[in-house]
Amino acid sequence: AQSVTQLDSQVPVFEEAPVELRCNYSSSVSVYLFWYVQYPNQGLQLLLKYLSGSTLVKGINGFEAEFNKSQTSFHLRKPSVHISDTAEYFCAVSGGTGTASKLTFGTGTRLQVTL
Amino acid sequence: SQTIHQWPATLVQPVGSPLSLECTVEGTSNPNLYWYRQAAGRGLQLLFYSVGIGQISSEVPQNLSASRPQDRQFILSSKKLLLSDSGFYLCAWSVGRDIQYFGAGTRLSVL
Repeated sequence: AQSVTQLDSQVPVFEEAPVELRCNYSSSVSVYLFWYVQYPNQGLQLLLKYLSGSTLVKGINGFEAEFNKSQTSFHLRKPSVHISDTAEYFCAVSGGTGTASKLTFGTGTRLQVTL
Repeated sequence: SQTIHQWPATLVQPVGSPLSLECTVEGTSNPNLYWYRQAAGRGLQLLFYSVGIGQISSEVPQNLSASRPQDRQFILSSKKLLLSDSGFYLCAWSVGRDIQYFGAGTRLSVL
């Protein structure tokens, strides 16, 4: 079984400040890790993914995440946020040995960027 | 390019009525297909997934069922809706275990 914990349900931050959204996972098998963003009443859009290789992953909109196997973490960071980054962010893990990508999602972190 | 269509965007249904939500994918063959539900203030829960026509795997016991009558069509159904079926339903597709691409979702309110 696998699980994802997003430690912060809400993160308020001022525009142009840095932000880190935390994600920890547990899995008994090798995993793929993802961060998705959801704007109000919309579907999910992929920000970035870790499948293998370099542990520092760069995504869209200036976001990046670092895979830390020893700490089982995949925290999302952005050095300077914009008002338009206000959204819900979900961390997800894909495990198992089958051909389907059975994603387990965290409960989400609401990023609120203000002036 | 690949696209995923999901409809309707919003739906209000009385308790006990049937449900049919449809999802179609264009621009790819033999995708894996998924149905998720997002309850208010909670994360996404995988309901069903399919790796091929007629192949459905259920992740949680519930009042819902899924079918895949064609390669790129995935349908979520219920014979009698419950209040607890309210939520935001998302369809997604993937190739193997790689990225899942999501539709715009259906907001279902059961009254």
